[in-house]
Amino acid sequence: TQLLEQSPQFLSIQEGENLTVYCNSSSVFSSLQWYRQEPGEGPVLLVTVVTGGEVKKLKRLTFQFGDARKDSSLHITAAQPGDTGLYLCAGALTGGGNKLTFGTGTQLKVEL
Amino acid sequence: KAGVTQTPRYLIKTRGQQVTLSCSPISGHRSVSWYQQTPGQGLQFLFEYFSETQRNKGNFPGRFSGRQFSNSRSEMNVSTLELGDSALYLCASSLTGGYNEQFFGPGTRLTVL
Repeated sequence: TQLLEQSPQFLSIQEGENLTVYCNSSSVFSSLQWYRQEPGEGPVLLVTVVTGGEVKKLKRLTFQFGDARKDSSLHITAAQPGDTGLYLCAGALTGGGNKLTFGTGTQLKVEL
Repeated sequence: KAGVTQTPRYLIKTRGQQVTLSCSPISGHRSVSWYQQTPGQGLQFLFEYFSETQRNKGNFPGRFSGRQFSNSRSEMNVSTLELGDSALYLCASSLTGGYNEQFFGPGTRLTVL
């Protein structure tokens, strides 16, 4: 059973376009993290959200945690080729220690 | 501050062999978690060690085991390798169980022939 569903699975856009990636679950998470992964490397942490309704911004990236802490979104404004990569959301369940449940991933390609 | 290091970066083994992977967490981090990443299943949690004790375990067979040393370094072992064990094995470290922020190493790419 996949607890975290991401959409879309693949996204190919032109430089300058905006995009949104969604991460949905029927479970409530105590915290949710977004990572970006390059081929052959480990995921790099972008942000952690812990409060329902929380919005965090990282330059052109905006992250939102749903009010019920079951879903999250990542919005990229004016995408650049350097944003290309695999975006992963990962949630921690209450009482689960550091065990993260990862989403299915969104492969983003930004072309010139 | 140095990041998470994993050795070796690449490994090729044959079916039936066993393998040991090593992970050194960020200095001061006491929790180490291991994940398996495959194209079909994505990232799946193997286990977590904190203060030399296994704190969480995922749904993997007993062939997968691990341990943590007093300096927080961790090793994972896979015995009787199967073709399906080919994957990128990732180690992540964190301070404690706070906001669960985990920082990943570059991974070990294991290929089983």
